[in-house]
Amino acid sequence: NAGVTQTPKFRVLKTGQSMTLLCAQDMNHEYMYWYRQDPGMGLRLIHYSVGEGTTAKGEVPDGYNVSRLKKQNFLLGLESAAPSQTSVYFCATREVVYTFGSGTRLTVV
Amino acid sequence: AQSVTQLGSHVSVSEGALVLLRCNYSSSVPPYLFWYVQYPNQGLQLLLKYTTGATLVKGINGFEAEFKKSETSFHLTKPSAHMSDAAEYFCAVTLASGNTPLVFGKGTRLSVIA
Repeated sequence: NAGVTQTPKFRVLKTGQSMTLLCAQDMNHEYMYWYRQDPGMGLRLIHYSVGEGTTAKGEVPDGYNVSRLKKQNFLLGLESAAPSQTSVYFCATREVVYTFGSGTRLTVV
Repeated sequence: AQSVTQLGSHVSVSEGALVLLRCNYSSSVPPYLFWYVQYPNQGLQLLLKYTTGATLVKGINGFEAEFKKSETSFHLTKPSAHMSDAAEYFCAVTLASGNTPLVFGKGTRLSVIA
């Protein structure tokens, strides 16, 4: 029972590089979310999806893009990474209760 | 839009003492309320939730919280702190209807002193 799986778990990027974070779920949930966690800021919503083929902006969407081509996968892309995007990224799915992945720790140098 | 305020970014208690972590929410419609715990370098684990029904909800590890609509509060308590309770705690709110995403407070770090 994997639940929500995030890959990679750790990554170091140089400023200007691009990367994609993958979130995969095996619970057949419609709703999926990407949050970032920064010290003293709690978790802030980046983008979310209410179903396959849909995406919407959250509180802090700038510098990120997302895609939900398949129901079980929600991808978060950074086209040109910046040091301000150094953070821990969490994916979540939801029925009534949210289920979170274990996180991706990203450092941009 | 809904929001959450957690009073106190850091709370320190002695082992065996009462734990009280404060959470106030703002919502124009009936909310669903949650408490999550995060241990160092780990993900978020659900402690307890309020959706409907009984306003006093019990969660894992001996924690409980009471939904008080008149005070717009959902404070988390535990009668006797244990060293293993040291972690960061997040209060979160979403709306009872629709697909509104979960909104988190900024978190409270709980330290337990031996």
